[in-house]
Amino acid sequence: GIQVEQSPPDLILQEGANSTLRCNFSDSVNNLQWFHQNPWGQLINLFYIPSGTKQNGRLSATTVATERYSLLYISSSQTTDSGVYFCAVEESGWGNTPLVFGKGTRLSVIA
Amino acid sequence: KAGVTQTPRYLIKTRGQQVTLSCSPISGHRSVSWYQQTPGQGLQFLFEYFSETQRNKGNFPGRFSGRQFSNSRSEMNVSTLELGDSALYLCASSWTGTSGTNNEQFFGPGTRLTVL
Repeated sequence: GIQVEQSPPDLILQEGANSTLRCNFSDSVNNLQWFHQNPWGQLINLFYIPSGTKQNGRLSATTVATERYSLLYISSSQTTDSGVYFCAVEESGWGNTPLVFGKGTRLSVIA
Repeated sequence: KAGVTQTPRYLIKTRGQQVTLSCSPISGHRSVSWYQQTPGQGLQFLFEYFSETQRNKGNFPGRFSGRQFSNSRSEMNVSTLELGDSALYLCASSWTGTSGTNNEQFFGPGTRLTVL
Protein backbone atom coordinates (compact mmCIF):
# COMPACT_ATOMS: atom_id res chain seq x y z
CA GLY A 1 0.00 0.00 0.00
CA ILE A 2 0.89 3.65 -0.17
CA GLN A 3 3.55 4.98 2.22
CA VAL A 4 3.36 8.42 3.81
CA GLU A 5 6.40 10.03 5.40
CA GLN A 6 6.35 13.26 7.32
CA SER A 7 9.30 15.39 8.30
CA PRO A 8 10.57 16.58 10.63
CA PRO A 9 9.16 14.32 13.35
CA ASP A 10 9.63 17.01 15.98
CA LEU A 11 9.97 20.78 15.74
CA ILE A 12 10.49 23.42 18.40
CA LEU A 13 9.92 27.05 17.45
CA GLN A 14 10.07 30.40 19.12
CA GLU A 15 6.80 32.29 18.93
CA GLY A 16 6.73 34.38 15.76
CA ALA A 17 8.93 32.05 13.73
CA ASN A 18 7.93 30.43 10.44
CA SER A 19 8.06 26.73 9.63
CA THR A 20 7.60 24.26 6.81
CA LEU A 21 6.32 20.73 7.32
CA ARG A 22 6.74 18.16 4.59
CA CYS A 23 4.73 15.12 3.53
CA ASN A 24 6.05 12.64 0.96
CA PHE A 25 3.88 9.88 -0.46
CA SER A 26 4.84 6.89 -2.52
CA ASP A 27 2.03 6.68 -5.09
CA SER A 28 -0.67 8.68 -6.87
CA VAL A 29 -3.39 10.08 -4.64
CA ASN A 30 -7.02 11.15 -5.05
CA ASN A 31 -7.12 13.03 -1.79
CA LEU A 32 -4.64 14.67 0.55
CA GLN A 33 -5.58 16.30 3.82
CA TRP A 34 -3.65 18.12 6.53
CA PHE A 35 -4.88 17.93 10.11
CA HIS A 36 -3.91 19.47 13.43
CA GLN A 37 -4.51 17.26 16.42
CA ASN A 38 -5.19 19.26 19.55
CA PRO A 39 -4.20 18.12 23.07
CA TRP A 40 -7.63 16.52 23.55
CA GLY A 41 -7.18 14.33 20.49
CA GLN A 42 -9.53 16.09 18.10
CA LEU A 43 -8.34 16.16 14.49
CA ILE A 44 -8.96 19.60 13.07
CA ASN A 45 -9.18 19.90 9.29
CA LEU A 46 -6.63 22.34 7.94
CA PHE A 47 -6.60 21.70 4.21
CA TYR A 48 -8.12 19.38 1.64
CA ILE A 49 -5.51 19.71 -1.05
CA PRO A 50 -4.96 16.87 -3.56
CA SER A 51 -3.13 19.37 -5.75
CA GLY A 52 -2.33 23.07 -5.97
CA THR A 53 -1.96 25.75 -3.32
CA LYS A 54 -4.36 27.02 -0.67
CA GLN A 55 -4.10 29.61 2.06
CA ASN A 56 -6.03 30.11 5.26
CA GLY A 57 -4.78 32.95 7.41
CA ARG A 58 -1.27 32.21 8.66
CA LEU A 59 -1.37 28.72 7.19
CA SER A 60 -0.88 27.68 3.60
CA ALA A 61 -0.31 24.40 1.83
CA THR A 62 1.02 23.26 -1.50
CA THR A 63 0.70 19.81 -3.05
CA VAL A 64 2.77 18.84 -6.08
CA ALA A 65 1.03 15.63 -7.03
CA THR A 66 3.36 14.80 -9.91
CA GLU A 67 6.32 14.85 -7.53
CA ARG A 68 4.41 13.20 -4.69
CA TYR A 69 4.84 15.68 -1.91
CA SER A 70 2.94 18.31 0.01
CA LEU A 71 4.14 21.18 2.18
CA LEU A 72 2.39 22.92 5.04
CA TYR A 73 3.62 26.43 5.88
CA ILE A 74 2.99 28.05 9.23
CA SER A 75 3.91 31.71 9.47
CA SER A 76 4.24 33.88 12.59
CA SER A 77 3.69 30.84 14.79
CA GLN A 78 1.73 31.15 18.04
CA THR A 79 1.68 28.94 21.12
CA THR A 80 -1.78 27.76 20.11
CA ASP A 81 -0.22 26.20 16.99
CA SER A 82 1.41 23.58 19.20
CA GLY A 83 0.28 20.01 18.68
CA VAL A 84 0.72 17.25 16.14
CA TYR A 85 0.23 17.86 12.43
CA PHE A 86 -0.81 14.93 10.29
CA CYS A 87 -0.82 14.45 6.57
CA ALA A 88 -3.22 11.80 5.25
CA VAL A 89 -3.70 10.55 1.72
CA GLU A 90 -6.19 8.46 -0.18
CA GLU A 91 -4.48 6.34 -2.78
CA SER A 92 -5.73 6.56 -6.37
CA GLY A 93 -7.48 3.51 -7.68
CA TRP A 94 -10.81 1.93 -8.32
CA GLY A 95 -13.48 2.98 -5.85
CA ASN A 96 -12.72 4.37 -2.44
CA THR A 97 -9.61 3.71 -0.44
CA PRO A 98 -9.17 4.73 3.19
CA LEU A 99 -7.04 7.60 4.41
CA VAL A 100 -3.47 6.55 5.19
CA PHE A 101 -1.82 8.75 7.78
CA GLY A 102 1.78 9.72 8.26
CA LYS A 103 3.32 9.52 11.72
CA GLY A 104 2.93 13.26 12.20
CA THR A 105 5.10 16.24 13.08
CA ARG A 106 4.99 17.29 16.73
CA LEU A 107 5.26 21.08 16.89
CA SER A 108 6.03 22.96 20.08
CA VAL A 109 5.86 26.75 19.98
CA ILE A 110 7.55 28.45 22.90
CA ALA A 111 6.65 31.95 24.08
CA LYS B 1 -24.15 22.46 10.76
CA ALA B 2 -23.31 20.16 13.65
CA GLY B 3 -20.04 18.27 13.45
CA VAL B 4 -19.36 14.59 13.90
CA THR B 5 -20.29 13.41 17.37
CA GLN B 6 -19.05 10.38 19.23
CA THR B 7 -20.25 8.76 22.43
CA PRO B 8 -19.08 8.03 24.97
CA ARG B 9 -16.00 10.25 25.16
CA TYR B 10 -14.25 8.11 27.76
CA LEU B 11 -14.61 4.47 28.66
CA ILE B 12 -12.87 2.13 31.07
CA LYS B 13 -13.32 -1.59 30.64
CA THR B 14 -11.60 -4.75 31.83
CA ARG B 15 -10.05 -7.50 29.76
CA GLY B 16 -12.56 -9.89 28.28
CA GLN B 17 -15.45 -7.43 28.26
CA GLN B 18 -16.98 -6.01 25.11
CA VAL B 19 -17.63 -2.41 24.19
CA THR B 20 -19.83 -0.50 21.74
CA LEU B 21 -18.92 2.96 20.49
CA SER B 22 -21.28 5.25 18.61
CA CYS B 23 -20.74 7.84 15.89
CA SER B 24 -23.21 10.31 14.37
CA PRO B 25 -21.98 11.82 11.10
CA ILE B 26 -22.49 15.30 9.77
CA SER B 27 -25.98 15.66 8.33
CA GLY B 28 -25.99 14.55 4.69
CA HIS B 29 -22.81 12.51 4.97
CA ARG B 30 -23.37 8.86 4.14
CA SER B 31 -19.83 7.52 4.55
CA VAL B 32 -18.52 6.78 8.04
CA SER B 33 -15.00 5.54 8.71
CA TRP B 34 -13.40 4.37 11.94
CA TYR B 35 -9.75 4.71 12.94
CA GLN B 36 -7.72 3.56 15.90
CA GLN B 37 -4.93 5.73 17.27
CA THR B 38 -2.23 4.36 19.57
CA PRO B 39 1.18 5.78 20.47
CA GLY B 40 2.94 2.81 18.91
CA GLN B 41 0.99 2.29 15.70
CA GLY B 42 -0.30 5.78 15.00
CA LEU B 43 -3.58 6.24 13.17
CA GLN B 44 -4.85 3.05 11.54
CA PHE B 45 -7.97 2.47 9.49
CA LEU B 46 -10.51 0.02 10.90
CA PHE B 47 -13.44 0.04 8.46
CA GLU B 48 -15.73 2.22 6.38
CA TYR B 49 -19.49 2.05 5.99
CA PHE B 50 -21.57 3.55 3.22
CA SER B 51 -25.32 3.11 2.86
CA GLU B 52 -25.37 0.49 5.63
CA THR B 53 -22.73 -1.65 3.87
CA GLN B 54 -19.13 -2.17 4.83
CA ARG B 55 -17.17 -0.82 1.89
CA ASN B 56 -13.60 -1.15 3.16
CA LYS B 57 -11.91 -3.00 5.98
CA GLY B 58 -8.51 -2.57 7.57
CA ASN B 59 -6.21 -5.21 8.94
CA PHE B 60 -7.80 -5.83 12.34
CA PRO B 61 -8.99 -9.10 13.92
CA GLY B 62 -12.61 -10.19 13.75
CA ARG B 63 -13.15 -8.99 17.32
CA PHE B 64 -13.58 -5.55 15.76
CA SER B 65 -16.87 -5.13 13.97
CA GLY B 66 -19.20 -2.35 13.00
CA ARG B 67 -22.49 -1.47 11.46
CA GLN B 68 -24.33 1.48 10.01
CA PHE B 69 -27.97 2.35 10.37
CA SER B 70 -30.36 3.83 7.83
CA ASN B 71 -29.81 7.32 9.27
CA SER B 72 -26.04 6.89 8.64
CA ARG B 73 -25.21 6.66 12.33
CA SER B 74 -22.60 4.01 12.95
CA GLU B 75 -21.49 1.81 15.80
CA MET B 76 -18.36 -0.21 16.30
CA ASN B 77 -18.03 -3.11 18.65
CA VAL B 78 -14.96 -4.71 20.16
CA SER B 79 -15.47 -8.07 21.78
CA THR B 80 -13.20 -9.88 24.22
CA LEU B 81 -11.17 -6.77 24.98
CA GLU B 82 -7.40 -7.01 25.29
CA LEU B 83 -4.99 -4.60 26.95
CA GLY B 84 -3.69 -3.63 23.52
CA ASP B 85 -7.11 -2.34 22.52
CA SER B 86 -6.57 0.70 24.73
CA ALA B 87 -6.60 3.56 22.24
CA LEU B 88 -8.33 6.63 20.94
CA TYR B 89 -11.04 5.57 18.50
CA LEU B 90 -11.89 8.20 15.94
CA CYS B 91 -14.82 8.33 13.60
CA ALA B 92 -14.90 10.36 10.40
CA SER B 93 -17.66 11.20 7.98
CA SER B 94 -17.57 12.43 4.42
CA TRP B 95 -19.97 13.46 1.70
CA THR B 96 -20.11 11.00 -1.16
CA GLY B 97 -20.60 12.20 -4.70
CA THR B 98 -22.83 10.62 -7.34
CA SER B 99 -19.82 8.63 -8.57
CA GLY B 100 -19.55 7.03 -5.16
CA THR B 101 -16.22 8.59 -4.32
CA ASN B 102 -15.65 10.30 -1.01
CA ASN B 103 -14.54 13.85 -0.42
CA GLU B 104 -12.95 15.59 2.54
CA GLN B 105 -13.21 13.62 5.77
CA PHE B 106 -14.27 15.29 9.02
CA PHE B 107 -13.44 13.72 12.36
CA GLY B 108 -15.27 13.49 15.64
CA PRO B 109 -13.67 14.15 19.04
CA GLY B 110 -12.96 10.47 19.61
CA THR B 111 -13.65 7.92 22.31
CA ARG B 112 -10.74 7.20 24.61
CA LEU B 113 -10.92 3.54 25.64
CA THR B 114 -8.84 2.19 28.49
CA VAL B 115 -8.71 -1.56 29.04
CA LEU B 116 -7.53 -2.67 32.49
